[in-house]
Order: sequence, then structure tokens, then C-alpha cells
Amino acid sequence: GENVEQHPSTLSVQEGDSAVIKCTYSDSASNYFPWYKQELGKGPQLIIDIRSNVGEKKDQRIAVTLNKTAKHFSLHITETQPEDSAVYFCAASKQGAQKLVFGQGTRLTINP
Amino acid sequence: GAGVSQTPSNKVTEKGKYVELRCDPISGHTALYWYRQSLGQGPEFLIYFQGTGAADDSGLPNDRFFAVRPEGSVSTLKIQRTERGDSAVYLCASSLTNSGNTIYFGEGSWLTVV
Repeated sequence: GENVEQHPSTLSVQEGDSAVIKCTYSDSASNYFPWYKQELGKGPQLIIDIRSNVGEKKDQRIAVTLNKTAKHFSLHITETQPEDSAVYFCAASKQGAQKLVFGQGTRLTINP
Repeated sequence: GAGVSQTPSNKVTEKGKYVELRCDPISGHTALYWYRQSLGQGPEFLIYFQGTGAADDSGLPNDRFFAVRPEGSVSTLKIQRTERGDSAVYLCASSLTNSGNTIYFGEGSWLTVV
């Protein structure tokens, strides 16, 4: 089955700097890759997603890139703000199967 | 509009007891999912429904776990003879269909078995 590895497990950056979180997946049939933000005591919130027919997608300060050949995808957050502090999860699934396989999470801390 | 609603938000139960966790998906969403999240881990898939039927229950850990969605809307996750290892956050999610649509999560039900 699918296996998703996420790195780093913790990341600390200065406010205003950029943060990058990377994930790799094992199943070449996976074609949907969402990123979720989870704050303490809350459920995961979708922040951006990408499908395998696209190499990059951007939404304001957040961007995701996908390299299908290498089977890895990354989350980029620019101009980080204290409210970006949270745990971020990547996930992968196959079209129509909708069974998301999650990475282990990255605890991002933005230092003011 | 309203998001995915889960009740109870917190449940403490004794080992061996029976527990029900309820999920009310976003109105109009035909696909509904249950995940389990242990402390410090990513969510793990349990089961997903398309309409009233369980389309994939491959993530249920054993036969103590069962879920229903009798009218294609609200779902209940049922855990029999609870064990301490069942302690986790149980997350429900829904999507418009089961084909390529965004999956939205609820806030979760935090289950503690003592």
C-alpha cells in the first residue's frame, strides 16, 4: 500500500522567513496530494492541494510543488507569520479511492 | 455553511464499555470518512461510506469496531469492549462525492479509555 514520509518533524523559523516541508510517497498511482494544517485541539484544515496533472500551485503565501518522477511534493510558506504556527500534514490518495494516507506531521513554530 | 459536526467532543469511558461516536457531515456530501489519530501521529484511515454503504472498511482494526450510515447522512462509529489502546481522537470527514473532491474534517471526538 501507499506510504508517505514527511520531513522535518519539527521546524522553527523566524517570522517573515520562508518554511519548506517535504513529503515523499511510494505508490506511483497516487494522484491527489493535499496539505492540512492542524491547530491544537482542532481537526485538520485543508490549506492547499495539488493533482498530478499540475506541477505547481500557489495560493497567496502558500505554494505546493509536485515532482511525479521523483514521487515527492513540498509545501512552501513565504513571509511566515505567528499564526502559521501549527502542525502540518501532507497526504496522498488515488483518484476515486479517496483513502488519504497521511505523513507523520511537521510541527512548525514561527518565532516573533 | 456548517462544517462537519462530531459529538461528543470528549468521552471518557471505562475499559470494556461500549462507545458510540456520531458524525453529521456537510449537507449534501455523499461521501463520509472516519479516521483515527493517535497523539503525535497523522490521521489513519478507518472506513469510508459512499451513500449508505461502506465502500471501504479496510482500516477498521478489528471486529470491535463498526460504523453505520443508515440514511446516507449521519454516521455512527461504534466501539465494543473498549481497550486502553483505543484512546485517540476519532476524526470524521466528508466530501461532495467520492471522486476527486476536497475532503473536509470535523473537530474530532477525543476518546479516553481508563
